[in-house]
Amino acid sequence: EAGVAQSPRYKIIEKRQSVAFWCNPISGHATLYWYQQILGQGPKLLIQFQNNGVVDDSQLPKDRFSAERLKGVDSTLKIQPAKLEDSAVYLCASSLVREGGFYEQYFGPGTRLTVT
Amino acid sequence: GENVEQHPSTLSVQEGDSAVIKCTYSDSASNYFPWYKQELGKRPQLIIDIRSNVGEKKDQRIAVTLNKTAKHFSLHITETQPEDSAVYFCAALIKEIYNQGGKLIFGQGTELSVKP
Repeated sequence: EAGVAQSPRYKIIEKRQSVAFWCNPISGHATLYWYQQILGQGPKLLIQFQNNGVVDDSQLPKDRFSAERLKGVDSTLKIQPAKLEDSAVYLCASSLVREGGFYEQYFGPGTRLTVT
Repeated sequence: GENVEQHPSTLSVQEGDSAVIKCTYSDSASNYFPWYKQELGKRPQLIIDIRSNVGEKKDQRIAVTLNKTAKHFSLHITETQPEDSAVYFCAALIKEIYNQGGKLIFGQGTELSVKP
């Protein structure tokens, strides 16, 4: 089974520039997540999609971050304009629901963003 | 509020010893608690998960215990091996829609080092 794919793996940009990340979840997984993981911290949820609808975007800085999941499959996360504090690894995950209320999230390899 | 506290932040043990990592959560409605292992430069991977209808779950050298009254849960690794060295994250699920999913709140992580 193919895993969650993300690109690019690394990105270096200057502050105030824009950047976009792409994610392709595991086939058949309806739920897709974007997380921000700052060095030394746990992943923080930015946005959660169920198919192509947004379930939770309460921690997405909407003045600069946007995300979409067209056709309920691939997703893109965009930052415009970037700030220094956006330097982090951006993880995409999709989840499999196991009977009995168990939810395994499969993470992609992440995109390491450095804003200079 | 949405919060998961994890301790310790770093843990060093000798090979063969046991390791214990503890987490507390704030949302009393949480019923699902996974643990993820993240090796350096790699993606988080689920190692064990538990729902609140049981107090303990074991899988070979790994076990998780849950005290729902006190709102804390722990990861126990016995007979540690050098390959157990990684960062471990606990998480608690909030805003659950049963058998569909919810929002994971992650702890800050514990860096476990197993010395040969």
